[in-house]
Amino acid sequence: QQQVKQSPQSLIVQKGGISIINCAYENTAFDYFPWYQQFPGKGPALLIAIRPDVSEKKEGRFTISFNKSAKQFSLHIMDSQPGDSATYFCAAKTNAGKSTFGDGTTLTVKP
Amino acid sequence: DVKVTQSSRYLVKRTGEKVFLECVQDMDHENMFWYRQDPGLGLRLIYFSYDVKMKEKGDIPEGYSVSREKKERFSLILESASTNQTSMYLCASSSPPGAGGTSYEQYFGPGTRLTVT
Repeated sequence: QQQVKQSPQSLIVQKGGISIINCAYENTAFDYFPWYQQFPGKGPALLIAIRPDVSEKKEGRFTISFNKSAKQFSLHIMDSQPGDSATYFCAAKTNAGKSTFGDGTTLTVKP
Repeated sequence: DVKVTQSSRYLVKRTGEKVFLECVQDMDHENMFWYRQDPGLGLRLIYFSYDVKMKEKGDIPEGYSVSREKKERFSLILESASTNQTSMYLCASSSPPGAGGTSYEQYFGPGTRLTVT
């Protein structure tokens, strides 16, 4: 039973383009939705996060869009750069402390 | 800077061996977690701990146990390693919400790639 579904599994974008990764969740008890970025040989690191009381959060070129009624959220990377090439994980957390992660998206930004 | 360190980056063990993976964090975090990461399966929670000597099962605890004798250290134990436990193991720590800093953010170590032959 997968509580957080992430798509696509892999994504190739040209430099300067927009990268979009989508996640959907089932559990309405989730109250925190982070995105993590992982480079090869490193552990994941928090990129940006949102709580369900807002519909959008922007930090630089990274934006989370959140649709509470549809139980979906997405990561948009504007002006994608080769340095953004990494694996991205969405996650959802309840106040009980456990996080559930999506399966990950491997992003390749071509120069 | 928060630092989560794991005792080994690469480990090769034989089937049936007892394996210890160690994790240490230096931010006085109450919560610590062990995940395994497999291609196409994301991060799956094995065990987590809210406090010293406290532990709770995650989604895939079978074949694993944990130990948390000190706040900064969380150990994952494979009692009898099997080939299907070949994986990348990630440790993470976080503060509980309201404790200051960024609520809920998990800080990950670099991972231990375990191969069981």
